[in-house]
Amino acid sequence: QKEVEQDPGPLSVPEGAIVSLNCTYSNSAFQYFMWYRQYSRKGPELLMYTYSSGNKEDGRFTAQVDKSSKYISLFIRDSQPSDSATYLCAMTTGGFKTIFGAGTRLFVKA
Amino acid sequence: ETGVTQSPTHLIKTRGQQVTLRCSSQSGHNTVSWYQQALGQGPQFIFQYYREEENGRGNFPPRFSGLQFPNYSSELNVNALELDDSALYLCASTIQGGTDTQYFGPGTRLTVL
Repeated sequence: QKEVEQDPGPLSVPEGAIVSLNCTYSNSAFQYFMWYRQYSRKGPELLMYTYSSGNKEDGRFTAQVDKSSKYISLFIRDSQPSDSATYLCAMTTGGFKTIFGAGTRLFVKA
Repeated sequence: ETGVTQSPTHLIKTRGQQVTLRCSSQSGHNTVSWYQQALGQGPQFIFQYYREEENGRGNFPPRFSGLQFPNYSSELNVNALELDDSALYLCASTIQGGTDTQYFGPGTRLTVL
C-alpha cells in the first residue's frame, strides 16, 4: 500500500464547475499538507500549505485536512481552462522528506 | 517563476553512462532537495542537502549522489545509468533544512537509451 493514494483521473469538467480533488494517506505522523499544481513540462508550483486539521482558503482554492480520516481535499471554485493541469497532493512529518501522491490530471473545458 | 533554475533542460544518455544535473537555488535558500518524477507519477524524494551536507535520503541506491556548494547551488550525479532512470529530475529549494514551502525548478528531462 502506498503512503499516499491519489486518483490519477483524468477529471474533465466544464468551465465554471466546482472541482474536488482528494488524497488519502496511511501515516498518522504527517503534520504538513500541501497541494501543488504542475503544468505540462514544468516543475510543481505550491498552491496551498496547511498544518494539521482544518480548512484554508485562498481565492478560488480551499484546502481541507481531516486527520481523523486521513483524508485531504482541494476544492477549486469557478474553474477556468487555465486551471487545466496535474494537481499533486504532498505531505510531510516536518522532517526532510516529502511524500507526493501520483497526481490528478484535470481538464477544464471552455 | 520561482527563481530556482536547472540545467540542462533535456539530456539523452545511454545505459552505463554517468550524468551530472545542476540546480541553482532561490536566493536566501540554504537547503535543496532532489526528486525523480517518472512519467505519470508524483515526484519521489532522492535526497536533501543542507549546509553542504546530506541531510536525508530516500530509497535510492548509492549510484545517486549529490553535492551542495557554498553558494547553495547543487549537483545530482547518477552513475551507471539504467533505462529506468529515464525521468524528470526536479530540484526544490527551501530555508533551514525543512521541507515546507519548497520552490521547485522546471526540471531536467533525462532519457536513457
